[in-house]
Amino acid sequence: AQSVTQLDSQVPVFEEAPVELRCNYSSSVSVYLFWYVQYPNQGLQLLLKYLSGSTLVESINGFEAEFNKSQTSFHLRKPSVHISDTAEYFCAVTPTGGFKTIFGAGTRLFVKA
Amino acid sequence: DGGITQSPKYLFRKEGQNVTLSCEQNLNHDAMYWYRQDPGQGLRLIYYSQIVNDFQKGDIAEGYSVSREKKESFPLTVTSAQKNPTAFYLCASSRQGDNYGYTFGSGTRLTVV
Repeated sequence: AQSVTQLDSQVPVFEEAPVELRCNYSSSVSVYLFWYVQYPNQGLQLLLKYLSGSTLVESINGFEAEFNKSQTSFHLRKPSVHISDTAEYFCAVTPTGGFKTIFGAGTRLFVKA
Repeated sequence: DGGITQSPKYLFRKEGQNVTLSCEQNLNHDAMYWYRQDPGQGLRLIYYSQIVNDFQKGDIAEGYSVSREKKESFPLTVTSAQKNPTAFYLCASSRQGDNYGYTFGSGTRLTVV
């Protein structure tokens, strides 16, 4: 079985500051890793994913995440956040060759002016 | 544009009533899912379907029912047996293999009155 732990339920940060949203997972098999973003009263949108290859993956809006197999982590980072990044972020894992995706409880990022 | 359409956006249910939430996709995805989202609990899987005329229970299926008569459609019925149905419901779809990530609808907020 897989599990996902997002270590912070809320992260307040000032605009233009860097941010890291932490995600750890547990799995006895290899997994694919995902980050999703959810804006208020909307569905989730895929932000980025790690399937294989380079452990550093990037999104089109400046976020990046690094897969660390030894620490079973997939932390999300952005060097300079904007007000528009205020949203809830979900980390998720899917076993390779499997089907069901497991989601973390979410981290609410609040960017202050 | 391809996507997933959930309707209605807001739904109110009286005690003892069954209600049906609609989910339609035009992405030609084989797999479809229903999730329930409650504050601080992330997403919990209710039902999923990998092919037409077949579906499986997720982690919290009690009090819910689904059908998958067409590839494009995966309606969810919240029955009177579901004692605490007030939540945000999300429908998602994916291609087979599940390593491409999910596409989500914009959600239905169900409230018991």
